[in-house]
Amino acid sequence: ELKVEQNPLFLSMQEGKNYTIYCNYSTTSDRLYWYRQDPGKSLESLFVLLSNGAVKQEGRLMASLDTKARLSTLHITAAVHDLSATYFCAVDIQRAQKLVFGQGTRLTINP
Amino acid sequence: EPEVTQTPSHQVTQMGQEVILRCVPISNHLYFYWYRQILGQKVEFLVSFYNNEISEKSEIFDDQFSVERPDGSNFTLKIRSTKLEDSAMYFCAGSRGSETQYFGPGTRLLVL
Repeated sequence: ELKVEQNPLFLSMQEGKNYTIYCNYSTTSDRLYWYRQDPGKSLESLFVLLSNGAVKQEGRLMASLDTKARLSTLHITAAVHDLSATYFCAVDIQRAQKLVFGQGTRLTINP
Repeated sequence: EPEVTQTPSHQVTQMGQEVILRCVPISNHLYFYWYRQILGQKVEFLVSFYNNEISEKSEIFDDQFSVERPDGSNFTLKIRSTKLEDSAMYFCAGSRGSETQYFGPGTRLLVL
């Protein structure tokens, strides 16, 4: 059974700081997704990582994928309050059949 | 930009009642999904649907659940006899294939 584990699960940080969220998964997959969820809201797609070594950046967020290590990272640079949300990674197994989500990382950025 | 829509946004029902959750996926999507998220927990896959049939389902998706795409636009999830533990946010999603799944705003179901 595929397991997807994120850490940390809770992260409180100050504006302007850098931090990394880690996503480990237990079986072979070359497709990994990052989503953002604001409280009471839906899931917003942030990044799709489709191959080993893939790196995507959008604003202060950068995601990478190492399929050999079965690890993805979401790096936050110079955090701002607007990035406060829960971030989920999800692994695509069986291509377009289903996503298996991590537990989510609740990120709080304090002024 | 096209979006996935879901109705109702909130549904309160009595245990044992049937509920139907509705979704209108993005028109050029081919794959459709239902996920659920119990409050404060992770998102869980329920079922995927392609070419008018179920392609994958999870252990959660038992005989009490069914999906339909009755008219080529709507995609529905039916729970025949709701239980307390069915209380959750239900998300519909769609994709064109092995690409990003786009999620709807969700239906919050509360079973009393």
